[in-house]
Amino acid sequence: AAGVIQSPRHLIKEKRETATLKCYPIPRHDTVYWYQQGPGQDPQFLISFYEKMQSDKGSIPDRFSAQQFSDYHSELNMSSLELGDSALYFCASSLPGSGSYGYTFGSGTRLTVV
Amino acid sequence: AQSVAQPEDQVNVAEGNPLTVKCTYSVSGNPYLFWYVQYPNRGLQFLLKYITGDNLVKGSYGFEAEFNKSQTSFHLKKPSALVSDSALYFCAVRDPGTYKYIFGTGTRLKVLA
Repeated sequence: AAGVIQSPRHLIKEKRETATLKCYPIPRHDTVYWYQQGPGQDPQFLISFYEKMQSDKGSIPDRFSAQQFSDYHSELNMSSLELGDSALYFCASSLPGSGSYGYTFGSGTRLTVV
Repeated sequence: AQSVAQPEDQVNVAEGNPLTVKCTYSVSGNPYLFWYVQYPNRGLQFLLKYITGDNLVKGSYGFEAEFNKSQTSFHLKKPSALVSDSALYFCAVRDPGTYKYIFGTGTRLKVLA
């Protein structure tokens, strides 16, 4: 079965550089969520999109931005990277209105800022 | 506000013994509760969920969880632990309005051979 695809799997950037993380949801899923999981931390919600519109926003820094495109894939753009941005970034997708279902997570992108 | 608590940072259990990973929740309205497992450097894998119905929910890999409304708990259980069950386990509640998850802090399960 198709899963949520995230790319790249690993990314190493220097401080103050920019990074772009991509997420391809399961076909027919039009809702995408981004989470950040720091070392030894629980996943923290960043932002979500439904039908290409931002639907909710969590603890996402102003240096980060995201969008969902017409094919429903999403990109998380991170600028002026800081050492503290090193984390595992998860994307998840779900069907609309599926409050009763668990959504599906991608394998994550591990970002290391040096 | 919705929240979940996992009071144990780590649980150690001998292989073949029953295991329990604890989770308590605080929600307004009916809770949508989930358990996920995370292996090292891997994504979160869905184990089971409680939405409504039977309080005992059966999930993947022989895991089950018991929803207890009076104690606001949703403990994860397995009758006989395997070494391969060693991983990080997250309890989560789903916000009914926004559908986003709120995760607990995670419990590291170590099954000893």
